[in-house]
Amino acid sequence: AQSVAQPEDQVNVAEGNPLTVKCTYSVSGNPYLFWYVQYPNRGLQFLLKYITGDNLVKGSYGFEAEFNKSQTSFHLKKPSALVSDSALYFCAVLNSGYSTLTFGKGTMLLVSP
Amino acid sequence: NAGVTQTPKFQVLKTGQSMTLQCAQDMNHNSMYWYRQDPGMGLRLIYYSASEGTTDKGEVPNGYNVSRLNKREFSLRLESAAPSQTSVYFCASSEQTESYQPQHFGDGTRLSIL
Repeated sequence: AQSVAQPEDQVNVAEGNPLTVKCTYSVSGNPYLFWYVQYPNRGLQFLLKYITGDNLVKGSYGFEAEFNKSQTSFHLKKPSALVSDSALYFCAVLNSGYSTLTFGKGTMLLVSP
Repeated sequence: NAGVTQTPKFQVLKTGQSMTLQCAQDMNHNSMYWYRQDPGMGLRLIYYSASEGTTDKGEVPNGYNVSRLNKREFSLRLESAAPSQTSVYFCASSEQTESYQPQHFGDGTRLSIL
């Protein structure tokens, strides 16, 4: 079965500093990976996806993610954090059969002024 | 642009009561999904509908039923609510399954069962 793990429940970073939110995956076959963000009292919003090609994927709001096959990781990154980036971030993997997603448990990102 | 609309936004039920959560999308998407979100557990798929007229079980289907009423609407029914079903429920849609298209989410229904 496909799965993703987000090892950190919470990440704290100061505004202006780079941020990384970690995700590792376990799949049979090629991994198709996604990042979503959830702001308070809202649904999830799509940030970016890795299907194939370049290992560095660029997405919305200045976020990017680095796919590393040897480390089975897909970490979310941003060069300079904003207070408004504070939210809950989910990594997800497309299940075999390409019908559904399996989500990680989420990582709360807190950016302090 | 409405996107995915869920009703109601909040609901309190007593154990044993029944309720239907409504979801509608205006993006002409083929696939629709119901998830529940619980603290520390991420999102778990309850049911999904790959296309109008089809439904399939997800990870946690017990205690729920669904109806794909038409291409736009996908409802989730709790026949006899239990406290363990207290959760935030999200509906989502995507252009189709068997693709890499992202899912679009509604803002959720917060359900408390006493």
